[in-house]
Amino acid sequence: LAKTTQPISMDSYEGQEVNITCSHNNIATNDYITWYQQFPSQGPRFIIQGYKTKVTNEVASLFIPADRKSSTLSLPRVSLSDTAVYYCLVGDGQAGTALIFGKGTTLSVSS
Amino acid sequence: DAGVIQSPRHEVTEMGQEVTLRCKPISGHDYLFWYRQTMMRGLELLIYFNNNVPIDDSGMPEDRFSAKMPNASFSTLKIQPSEPRDSAVYFCASSPTVLTDTQYFGPGTRLTVL
Repeated sequence: LAKTTQPISMDSYEGQEVNITCSHNNIATNDYITWYQQFPSQGPRFIIQGYKTKVTNEVASLFIPADRKSSTLSLPRVSLSDTAVYYCLVGDGQAGTALIFGKGTTLSVSS
Repeated sequence: DAGVIQSPRHEVTEMGQEVTLRCKPISGHDYLFWYRQTMMRGLELLIYFNNNVPIDDSGMPEDRFSAKMPNASFSTLKIQPSEPRDSAVYFCASSPTVLTDTQYFGPGTRLTVL
């Protein structure tokens, strides 16, 4: 199972773009990259998933370089309500191996 | 759909008592997961089921913990006897058909063992 490394914490101000990078050097060919968001006192919530290049939805963008050894979650124009923990997960779900949540990146947005 | 339902939302008990946490997954979802979250260890996968069958319980900390899924709409996580170090938030999640599908989490049960 590919191990992921992401920063423990990040700080930002309202209106800025935030980029959170996750390293996964031993990602396997069939692995997908998935990001979740967790607000205090709530369970994690799916944000975005990708395999390669770029994926965009109404919440975020996910950039994956050609070698797929890292990925970057991009949050455009953050607001105070984006303060949360963000988790990067890597895996293909095969062989009965579930995706593993690490400790995530705590994003703090200030006014 | 009401989403994943967990009960109770909060549980305070004394060391040595039995604790049972309950989960109702989203209808039609084939996978059910139990997680534990603490500040020290983050979010840990305890066990997951596929079509009511336990697939991987390697995350269950010890024999005091057990989980069952008697049918597609109900699962329990039991701790007997409970210890103060079991204090955590326990989440249940379900996902549709494959392990890479989006997991939908319940609101969690905050357990405090005195």
